[in-house]
Amino acid sequence: EVQLVQSGAEVKKPGESLKISCRSSGYSFTRYWVGWLRQMPGKGLEWMGIIYPGASNTIYSPSFRGQVTISADNSVSTAYLQWRGLGASDTAIYYCVGRSGPADEGAFDYWGQGTLVTVSS
Amino acid sequence: QSALTQPASVSGSPGQSITISCTGTSSDVGIYMVVSWYQQHPGKAPKLIIYEVSKRPSGVSNRFSGSKSGNAASLTISGLQAEDEADYYCCSYAGSTTFVFGGGTKVTVL
Repeated sequence: EVQLVQSGAEVKKPGESLKISCRSSGYSFTRYWVGWLRQMPGKGLEWMGIIYPGASNTIYSPSFRGQVTISADNSVSTAYLQWRGLGASDTAIYYCVGRSGPADEGAFDYWGQGTLVTVSS
Repeated sequence: QSALTQPASVSGSPGQSITISCTGTSSDVGIYMVVSWYQQHPGKAPKLIIYEVSKRPSGVSNRFSGSKSGNAASLTISGLQAEDEADYYCCSYAGSTTFVFGGGTKVTVL
């Protein structure tokens, strides 16, 4: 069974750094795309970016490029989403998603449970 | 890369059919057959219900169906049930390994 398990909720102050994780199991980690989505309070889903761990190929949404870093560690089948300086507007639930086929086919088949990030002074 | 356009809300009575539209452009929905739909109940992670415009994953009710015409895709829920009350999001491939989501539609079962 494919599972994506995300790290727990975080409370941070503005300007702090943060790295959240998404651990995968039940499939070959290097063969699936892993993406990150943001859902701000009471709002819709926004695509942030995606990584193909097998080739370390990372693509960002223009809205998030330079604001976050997506990475992966194949040795522990885990993808990461990182901020260097958080702002209040980063308060949101972040979902990692898995895509089993090529990027131009299929869909986001698998979802993590979400990680709530709260940024407040 | 602008968000796809969905109606904010759609409602229907039990047993009725409703349709949610998802309007994009010739750079995303209009050119790719890679439109998917997700259902999200309050406090839960979204769940895939339609992929590649009209395909249903295993285990998803056949009351859910999808279609596309030009730059717009649609999700139809037939035989509306109380458990269908949720938020629904469309998503389209937009080329060069990028994706775009719709703003979401709240479905209310009257």
